[in-house]
Amino acid sequence: DIQMTQSPSTLSASVGDRVTITCRGSQSISSFLAWYQQKPGKAPKLLIYKTSTLESGVPSRFSGSGSGTEFTLTISSLQPDDFASYYCQQYNSHSPYTFGQGTKVENK
Amino acid sequence: QVQLQESGPGLAKPSETLSLTCTVSGYSISSGYYWGWIRQPPGQGLEWIASIYYTGNTYDNPSLRSRATVSIDTSKNQFSLKLASVTAADTAVYYCAKGARVAPNYFDYWGQGILVTVSS
Repeated sequence: DIQMTQSPSTLSASVGDRVTITCRGSQSISSFLAWYQQKPGKAPKLLIYKTSTLESGVPSRFSGSGSGTEFTLTISSLQPDDFASYYCQQYNSHSPYTFGQGTKVENK
Repeated sequence: QVQLQESGPGLAKPSETLSLTCTVSGYSISSGYYWGWIRQPPGQGLEWIASIYYTGNTYDNPSLRSRATVSIDTSKNQFSLKLASVTAADTAVYYCAKGARVAPNYFDYWGQGILVTVSS
């Protein structure tokens, strides 16, 4: 299995801050990486796919970059609605798809 | 607008089989794409369980040691999950989701999730 490791596990930030979350794969996944946002009690919401393509309707303050084994999700200016948990997911091969352990962005 | 809704018992007994159904509206599942199940134990991260194509082709997570079976009913626009020999470790919120492409997948539409507790 391809293991995905996110860092940090928790991030304390304030509205307006630039936030960066890292996701590292145990082997290369090319650019087959997605990012999700999850709020308590809700289903994950797709933000970005294929490393850097923004899902329709997702604000442009979200961006993704990387390739191979190292990827980042950046929020350029954190908004109140962005306090949530974020997960990366690799889909380089069918079996199995794997997620990072998550990063919780909390209010400083 | 694609919508997915999980249904099934919220309680399962150890060693029994957990059965869930996902009903899709706003899109015909026989039109394509993979359809998947993902779970999240309380306070923990996400784990992909299995996915199925409308033709019946399936992929599942080897970590579940073949306990998961997925099936599809295009006439009802539904797909289902059966997880055998459950233990307390299978307690989780179970989500059904739509794969975004006909290939190894990420998921663009999700159900609201259903909490299944495994307890005697």
